[in-house]
Amino acid sequence: SQQGEEDPQALSIQEGENATMNCSYKTSINNLQWYRQNSGRGLVHLILIRSNEREKHSGRLRVTLDTSKKSSSLLITASRAADTASYFCATDGNNNDMRFGAGTRLTVKP
Amino acid sequence: DTEVTQTPKHLVMGMTNKKSLKCEQHMGHRAMYWYKQKAKKPPELMFVYSYEKLSINESVPSRFSPECPNSSLLNLHLHALQPEDSALYLCASSPRGLYYGYTFGSGTRLTVV
Repeated sequence: SQQGEEDPQALSIQEGENATMNCSYKTSINNLQWYRQNSGRGLVHLILIRSNEREKHSGRLRVTLDTSKKSSSLLITASRAADTASYFCATDGNNNDMRFGAGTRLTVKP
Repeated sequence: DTEVTQTPKHLVMGMTNKKSLKCEQHMGHRAMYWYKQKAKKPPELMFVYSYEKLSINESVPSRFSPECPNSSLLNLHLHALQPEDSALYLCASSPRGLYYGYTFGSGTRLTVV
């Protein structure tokens, strides 16, 4: 029941660089969310963007949403080694039935 | 309390065993979820409870049986599992509604032998 794809599957950057991850989805949505997961444990909610919003910021995070293209991007600026994790986009329809994309594995080298 | 607590953290069970996973939250969230995650894959939605009633079952085999005894507690009863059911089982909760993030527990890592 995976909702969509993420691109790239893996990303390796140096500390201080920006990281951009993309997400595409298939069905209509009410909101799109981004989560981080460290070492295969619980997921941490990062940011939620509503379907009628185009851009949202939270600290070093910037999310964009293009509903006409059914796509979203997550930008992490000035990355740190502690940002190393897997990042998932997730879409929520009308029934609190959030489904995840494939995820991007981000490695930030010190 | 802003956490979702899952127990046990690790579970090894035989294919003929019966076991249960437990999930608890005290944030007043009225939606609770079970997800299954295989290694290097995204979480897959299994069940959704809304106001203690099962609202979504993603065609999960009957060897997985969810239960929501009250608004704070969610169980997943396991019986006659297969080795391919080995995975990380994640519980989450959220306020009922469309514009809230989910709070996840740290998961139960299940191994079926």
